[in-house]
Amino acid sequence: DAGVTQSPTHLIKTRGQQVTLRCSPKSGHDTVSWYQQALGQGPQFIFQYYEEEERQRGNFPDRFSGHQFPNYSSELNVNALLLGDSALYLCASSRTMGHQPQHFGDGTRLSIL
Amino acid sequence: KNEVEQSPQNLTAQEGEFITINCSYSVGISALHWLQQHPGGGIVSLFMLSSGKKKHGRLIATINIQEKHSSLHITASHPRDSAVYICAVSGGSNYKLTFGKGTLLTVNP
Repeated sequence: DAGVTQSPTHLIKTRGQQVTLRCSPKSGHDTVSWYQQALGQGPQFIFQYYEEEERQRGNFPDRFSGHQFPNYSSELNVNALLLGDSALYLCASSRTMGHQPQHFGDGTRLSIL
Repeated sequence: KNEVEQSPQNLTAQEGEFITINCSYSVGISALHWLQQHPGGGIVSLFMLSSGKKKHGRLIATINIQEKHSSLHITASHPRDSAVYICAVSGGSNYKLTFGKGTLLTVNP
């Protein structure tokens, strides 16, 4: 049973470019959350998707957007990349019934030059 | 002030020692989570608890709701326990996790 998978593993972009990160949730999970983790910091919540809708959003600008597909997989898009967007981007999936543990992928390491 | 505070930030121990990592939070919660993160990024959920105490192998997690405090204990620590341990909370209809900054644990042989 595959866990949460994220792609790509690493990515290098330049300022002003756009990037798309992808996440496939654990089998049986219908909710996907995205987090940004800067070096030496705890993860920060970006947003959560359920039933193809953004259910909750953290304190991130509109440059950060997402999508969830009917098969529950999800994408995170970031436009107009800034140097400060360099971070590890983590995807977590869970079942939406009550408060369930979130299962994390290994993350995508995004570096902005 | 962060909503979730952990202490210590760094912890070095000798193999076999008993280890305690503390977490305090300032918001109402439905559950508190302890997670482990190894170098390279992958995060593993260790415990999710809303009251009392949970045990899994050499790991024990406790929570005091009235004091808004939780502890993670590791008995008979081993070098393979070396990792970052992160406390996170979720609350009410708020499904997101709010994380502490983590505790870097190094266990020397």
